[in-house]
Formats: sequence, structure tokens, C-alpha cells
Amino acid sequence: GQQVMQIPQYQHVQEGEDFTTYCNSSTTLSNIQWYKQRPGGHPVFLIQLVKSGEVKKQKRLTFQFGEAKKNSSLHITATQTTDVGTYFCAVIYSGTYKYIFGTGTRLKVLA
Amino acid sequence: DAGVIQSPRHEVTEMGQEVTLRCKPISGHDYLFWYRQTMMRGLELLIYFNNNVPIDDSGMPEDRFSAKMPNASFSTLKIQPSEPRDSAVYFCASSTTGTDIYGYTFGSGTRLTVV
Repeated sequence: GQQVMQIPQYQHVQEGEDFTTYCNSSTTLSNIQWYKQRPGGHPVFLIQLVKSGEVKKQKRLTFQFGEAKKNSSLHITATQTTDVGTYFCAVIYSGTYKYIFGTGTRLKVLA
Repeated sequence: DAGVIQSPRHEVTEMGQEVTLRCKPISGHDYLFWYRQTMMRGLELLIYFNNNVPIDDSGMPEDRFSAKMPNASFSTLKIQPSEPRDSAVYFCASSTTGTDIYGYTFGSGTRLTVV
């Protein structure tokens, strides 16, 4: 089936360091959502981006949608142990109402 | 609201047995999705419904899988007969049209182990 690539696959950081995950699509996206899944948990919605070049912030998290609407990034400033988990992008293509989830980036924060 | 409710939380069954997973979406949500998560394949969309009608089942692995939504508050995913490769966490999610501000709301999942 369709798959959306995220890089990196894994990231280990020291607490206090920054973290960025990237989501890339070969085709133009209608919009993109980001989810966080804690170990043993279920995906939890974080945010949606719709407009080209859009930037949204949630406290230490910054989300960006590329100008061509083919890629997106999630940046965490000064990571904390509570940021541990897997971050997924979920993309939707025009004409559908189904989100395809990216491969995910597993973040581990070392205290 | 109690959120999306899935049952059972864990299911262990023998190969060849029938397995039924259940989901109660959030009241008022008109979309329901079934996803499967494994280490190898990540989060895969199996099927989704709109107003209880199946819209896209292209992700259903094979004829052994079937899903129904007899009413707005209940859906089932059935595997018959089950095989070890079906072992995974199965998530149900619901959402509503009109606004995507809240995204999908996922249930806690059913961890299926087929031995």
C-alpha cells in the first residue's frame, strides 16, 4: 500500500537537545497531520497543517508545511523525557478522506 | 465522552480460530477507521466507513478479513480463519467532517496474538 517516508527512523537525544523529524511525499498533499504515540499507547492527534508554508507552534513543538506541500517537519526544542515516543505524520491526498500514516520516528530522550 | 472504545484489549487465539474485534466510536462522529500496526509494516489503514457505509476497503489483506458497521455506534472487524501473521495491534479510530481540528481519535487498541 501507500507509504509516506519519515526520517530519521530512530533518534536518541540527550535531554535538553533539539529534535527534528521530516515527512516526505512524492506527490502534492491536501493537508498533513501529526500524531504522537507513547510506548504501549495509541496515536494521539497533535496538529493539522493545511496551507503552503504554514508554521504552527505548540509550546516547544514547531510544525512546518513545505511550500510545495510535499513535505513537513516537526521540531522539538529542548527535549524532555516526556517527549519520548513515536511521532507520525499522516497525509491525505485530494479526493479522499483517508489519512496514510508515515513510517514514524521513534524518539528516545536520555536523562 | 469516554472516547473510542475497543474490546477486547488483548486476544490470544489459536491458528484457524475466528477472531472478532469490536469498536464503539465517539458519538456524533461519522467516520470510522480500522488500522493495523506492526513493527514491519507500521500503521496500515484496513478499511473506513462513512455514515456506516464502507467507503474504501482496499487495505483489507485478504478475504479472511471482514468488517461491518451495523449502526453508528458499533463496528466489528472479523478474521476467519486467523493466522500467526495476523498478530498485530488493531486500532479503531473515529472522526467527524466539518472540521479537522481534532484529527482522528484512536481507541486503545486490541493486541492480537495468533499462536
